[in-house]
Amino acid sequence: QSALTQPASVSGSPGQSINISCTGTSGDIGAYNLVSWYQQHPGRAPKFIMFEVNKRPAGISGRFSGSKSGDTASLTITGLQPEDEADYYCCSYAPGSLSLFGGGTKLTVL
Amino acid sequence: QVQLQESGPGLVKPSETLSLTCTVSGGSVINNNWWSWVRQPPGKGLEWIGEIYLSGSTNYNPSLKSRVTISMDKSKNQFSLNLNSVTAADTAVYYCARLVVVPFPNGFDLWGQGALVTVS
Repeated sequence: QSALTQPASVSGSPGQSINISCTGTSGDIGAYNLVSWYQQHPGRAPKFIMFEVNKRPAGISGRFSGSKSGDTASLTITGLQPEDEADYYCCSYAPGSLSLFGGGTKLTVL
Repeated sequence: QVQLQESGPGLVKPSETLSLTCTVSGGSVINNNWWSWVRQPPGKGLEWIGEIYLSGSTNYNPSLKSRVTISMDKSKNQFSLNLNSVTAADTAVYYCARLVVVPFPNGFDLWGQGALVTVS
């Protein structure tokens, strides 16, 4: 199983919206609505921010939303804030009870 | 609230075995979750290593399966990772995490702070 594909970096200005894509295959993202997303600030552990494609855990801002089309999942952040600057990782369930992570996307808030 | 804490040697020699333990506090490993290990080489992305359920069932990343063993000690509320025949490529921050399954794997909702293990 190969890692999921994410853009290496994205950027946006405060108040703007950005989108981070996560591309898999018909065997993982395309087959299951079991995509989760994580935010990781430098030197910190990842933080769980989205599950089952578009569901937010308790305490996660409504500025974060998720979607999926075919083999590609996406994370959208609206109203960008300086504290959103971090690395973001997607993860999908895969056959054989495996978990696949994306390579990560560095979000820069300009 | 439930917390996870990794512990173990921070330096391992090449060809030897990396051993880490994750202690679960504020809760029990005996519940409907899978307890997992994820690693992150310096400056790189996350890699899922494997997981264990209270029944003792395990799932491993195929790329590491031949070298990995994950076990659980219910009496100590801990689960452990053993990775043998390590090389410099195994240098990473190792995280323990809880995989929520209700009833499908929803994601890793709880993480330890991470433990840096250097192979040298």
